[in-house]
Amino acid sequence: EPEVTQTPSHQVTQMGQEVILRCVPISNHLYFYWYRQILGQKVEFLVSFYNNEISEKSEIFDDQFSVERPDGSNFTLKIRSTKLEDSAMYFCASSEARGEGKTQYFGPGTRLLVL
Amino acid sequence: DQQVKQNSPSLSVQEGRISILNCDYTNSMFDYFLWYKKYPAEGPTFLISISSIKDKNEDGRFTVFLNKSAKHLSLHIVPSQPGDSAVYFCAAIGYGGSQGNLIFGKGTKLSVKP
Repeated sequence: EPEVTQTPSHQVTQMGQEVILRCVPISNHLYFYWYRQILGQKVEFLVSFYNNEISEKSEIFDDQFSVERPDGSNFTLKIRSTKLEDSAMYFCASSEARGEGKTQYFGPGTRLLVL
Repeated sequence: DQQVKQNSPSLSVQEGRISILNCDYTNSMFDYFLWYKKYPAEGPTFLISISSIKDKNEDGRFTVFLNKSAKHLSLHIVPSQPGDSAVYFCAAIGYGGSQGNLIFGKGTKLSVKP
């Protein structure tokens, strides 16, 4: 069964450093998402991506964040100048289409720890 | 601003009995709802969904009920099994489906005891 994969599973970084989180969505999916979950809190939407551009982003997704689909398979989230509060689980998801009736399938997540 | 609420942080059920997980929402424009199951250190796994044009959807041991007038949905698991022990998240698609991002509740931790 196709699945979303994410690398690395864990990432430890120093405050102020840049990190890139990688995702390989399900191959025939066209919509891609990033979510995050800070420890003890709910899963929060960050950004959605379609046709090589951002289709929607939340208030969390400020200039510190960027997304890219550098090739036909990878989907990346870059966090510039990481802050302590960026420590969280980051989940990538993908779906065939958007909105009602189109299930988003999640990857296993990357645990980011900013020291 | 909690648009999707799961007011029970935890639920404990005996194996073989029914588990009922509840979810309330505030935005009447939500028209598609999903339940995800999550184990520690893993991503959310899709379980079952329901469109607002239905009031019930069933898949094996899992049934989701939607009461639009009450803005309430519930997930029933019958019979509950120890492997069902996980955190269950309710999620809604925002604003009538015109936007694709999921809005999650805080989750309910289900423990199924043998």
